[in-house]
Amino acid sequence: SQQGEEDPQALSIQEGENATMNCSYKTSINNLQWYRQNSGRGLVHLILIRSNEREKHSGRLRVTLDTSKKSSSLLITASRAADTASYFCAKIIQGAQKLVFGQGTRLTINP
Amino acid sequence: DAGVIQSPRHEVTEMGQEVTLRCKPISGHDYLFWYRQTMMRGLELLIYFNNNVPIDDSGMPEDRFSAKMPNASFSTLKIQPSEPRDSAVYFCASHRRGSTEAFFGQGTRLTVV
Repeated sequence: SQQGEEDPQALSIQEGENATMNCSYKTSINNLQWYRQNSGRGLVHLILIRSNEREKHSGRLRVTLDTSKKSSSLLITASRAADTASYFCAKIIQGAQKLVFGQGTRLTINP
Repeated sequence: DAGVIQSPRHEVTEMGQEVTLRCKPISGHDYLFWYRQTMMRGLELLIYFNNNVPIDDSGMPEDRFSAKMPNASFSTLKIQPSEPRDSAVYFCASHRRGSTEAFFGQGTRLTVV
């Protein structure tokens, strides 16, 4: 089974608002990554946070990691219509090179 | 670099037929992954290779599925015989040694009727 879940499964907000997506996992990880998937396309890497990091920024993206709670969040600030996509967290399990994905959050930005 | 290239983009086949999906990873990438994506099960890792050697095939659903990587620039995922429940989008991804940032192909949408 997949390692952990994202929530919410779907999120619809107005353009300009912030979007927050959460990801939980079950086993120890080396790092956690977030990917975006536009409809009908492959996944695109957004950001990686290592297990010894707590927060990371990239442009309008902010990722946090709480290893004690085994959870991560992705914040997209000042959302745009082009941010409409599915967002997935992916975990590298300790001791393996397997990149395991959650079920994803479908984000819709309404103009 | 052209990125990870998958072919075909779409495949429609009849139940019982053999299906072969193809992937060309990014040059220099040592790791190659095959994923299957469905609405019900999300993105499942089927198998991955390191330096052309299969490392973990525990996600391969059953013996009808097989994957090969004869060289560093080519991999295939074969389904024989195909069944309607195999209908999904199949993705290939690769990354280089020392990094876990995966680069995905555009996927192959397989429909088995």
